[in-house]
Amino acid sequence: DGGITQSPKYLFRKEGQNVTLSCEQNLNHDAMYWYRQDPGQGLRLIYYSQIVNDFQKGDIAEGYSVSREKKESFPLTVTSAQKNPTAFYLCASRGTSTAPSNEQFFGPGTRLTVL
Amino acid sequence: DAKTTQPTSMDCAEGRAANLPCNHSTISGNEYVYWYRQIHSQGPQYIIHGLKNNETNEMASLIITEDRKSSTLILPHATLRDTAVYYCIVTPYTGTASKLTFGTGTRLQVTL
Repeated sequence: DGGITQSPKYLFRKEGQNVTLSCEQNLNHDAMYWYRQDPGQGLRLIYYSQIVNDFQKGDIAEGYSVSREKKESFPLTVTSAQKNPTAFYLCASRGTSTAPSNEQFFGPGTRLTVL
Repeated sequence: DAKTTQPTSMDCAEGRAANLPCNHSTISGNEYVYWYRQIHSQGPQYIIHGLKNNETNEMASLIITEDRKSSTLILPHATLRDTAVYYCIVTPYTGTASKLTFGTGTRLQVTL
């Protein structure tokens, strides 16, 4: 089945530790995105990548880092510099086409709790 | 990107039409209206989009006013599985650089 996988679904870390969240897609999509969602809030864009080996900061990139070495993978590292890392993290991808549907396909999310 | 205003929450009886409004009075000529929904603790799901004409697909209909300053998402026969947060997003389509900005949306509760 085609889709986006994020692992793990739940993740616990101690304060001060870096943690990497996995995002893999087999949709052959060029663009990938990372969002953060806090309780009762909308999604906020952390980083996005339009092609392999290229990525741009979103609205709240501080304390996060990404890499895009392969088309199908876009891991997100939450560093110790992120002040409030506990949140629900969502990965998405979008195929490039001339149609303006702008449809992003989302993974199931990873709920990160920093103790 | 144009700012959108949506009611915080709405209720709808199962089997009835759910009409979710969105105000985007500062929309620009090149900006599209997109609707996504998010069922609890899942990733958002694309529903529909439009520029100026009304649109319909298997999930919903999108009605955009002639001045494009507001729109309404219509779920013709709401079911309990339509209970979710619905996001109205207005943004230009810029190819691979297109981004979506999610607000807080409307929480739709469908009841028996």
